[in-house]
Amino acid sequence: KAGVTQTPRYLIKTRGQQVTLSCSPISGHRSVSWYQQTPGQGLQFLFEYFSETQRNKGNFPGRFSGRQFSNSRSEMNVSTLELGDSALYLCASSPGTSGRNYNEQFFGPGTRLTVL
Amino acid sequence: AQSVTQLDSHVSVSEGTPVLLRCNYSSSYSPSLFWYVQHPNKGLQLLLKYTSAATLVKGINGFEAEFKKSETSFHLTKPSAHMSDAAEYFCVVSRPSNTGNQFYFGTGTSLTVIP
Repeated sequence: KAGVTQTPRYLIKTRGQQVTLSCSPISGHRSVSWYQQTPGQGLQFLFEYFSETQRNKGNFPGRFSGRQFSNSRSEMNVSTLELGDSALYLCASSPGTSGRNYNEQFFGPGTRLTVL
Repeated sequence: AQSVTQLDSHVSVSEGTPVLLRCNYSSSYSPSLFWYVQHPNKGLQLLLKYTSAATLVKGINGFEAEFKKSETSFHLTKPSAHMSDAAEYFCVVSRPSNTGNQFYFGTGTSLTVIP
């Protein structure tokens, strides 16, 4: 099976712009989670989508949004970029079914966003 | 409530010596536990997971971890460090909920391997 893919791998934007990142999960996985990773804050959970619905949400401002398509691919959008949004954005997929046998997350390589 | 504490933010070992990365968890009931590794500018790769079967879990690249309920610990070990083990390691606890599995990440341990 192909792994989790994220595009683009690198992005450079300026303050005030918006950006869209894409994530394709492992085939058959219905859950996609997004994380922001920075040296100062570590790994922080943004949100999770399951069957095209946002199921869980972290503590981020409304500038961060996402969506999931019927094929489980997901996008996240950041509007009005700030310097502090510079980070590695990681996507993780999992089957999405609650329980021990379905709870492993598989991570993509990440998108490195730099805001100038 | 669930949480994960990685007791060391940095660990340095010499090549060929044992590795010990410590993780304590708190959970209101029996959790699933994971160790992930992240090499620079890469995503997280699963090393091993515990889901209530054997308490000693073997993973990839010679790593293993032991689930100790009485100590609420899930420490990661490797008998002999290799240069390629230098990376960031994350301990993760997961529990099921009515909105899917919830994941709680530790703050990470940076492993340096000295030649």
